[in-house]
Amino acid sequence: GENVEQHPSTLSVQEGDSAVIKCTYSDSASNYFPWYKQELGKRPQLIIDIRSNVGEKKDQRIAVTLNKTAKHFSLHITETQPEDSAVYFCAASTGGFKTIFGAGTRLFVKA
Amino acid sequence: NAGVTQTPKFQVLKTGQSMTLQCAQDMNHNSMYWYRQDPGMGLRLIYYSASEGTTDKGEVPNGYNVSRLNKREFSLRLESAAPSQTSVYFCASDRSGSLSGELFFGEGSRLTVL
Repeated sequence: GENVEQHPSTLSVQEGDSAVIKCTYSDSASNYFPWYKQELGKRPQLIIDIRSNVGEKKDQRIAVTLNKTAKHFSLHITETQPEDSAVYFCAASTGGFKTIFGAGTRLFVKA
Repeated sequence: NAGVTQTPKFQVLKTGQSMTLQCAQDMNHNSMYWYRQDPGMGLRLIYYSASEGTTDKGEVPNGYNVSRLNKREFSLRLESAAPSQTSVYFCASDRSGSLSGELFFGEGSRLTVL
């Protein structure tokens, strides 16, 4: 079946450093790639997304890049802050019915 | 505007007991979903409802049933709970499941089956 692989499963960085999370997907029909942030005990919430006709998108300290040929996409967080500590999920989608999530990355930002 | 609300937030069951998780959204979304979240496995789709009156199986439907009561409400039922169903359950909705876009999640329901 279709799947999304996400790495690393755990990431620990010093405050102010950058963090990068990488995902690969198998379904070449995927056209939407959202990233969700889940704080401890909370619901997943969308932080940024990218569509297949765009190679890169940035929103303040967060950026996402997409390489359709290689079926890779990545989340970049610059100048990390303690409040960035959370679990991050990538997903690949051809529609809500067919959204496949990665297993998640637990990010720790040490003050 | 409450978004997606689900109840209960916590539940402990004994093996073989039944229960229903309730979900409601007030965003006039057509599509609704039930996911389960287990450590190291991300979010896996149990069932979804493309629109009022329709339901379909997702990736892990065994042991569950659903009802789309109306456009706002989508419930998940465990008829005979098993320890393997211990998980955190999330309801979600979006404007149209046939189009790609943001999923809006409820706060989650933590279920423990003893």
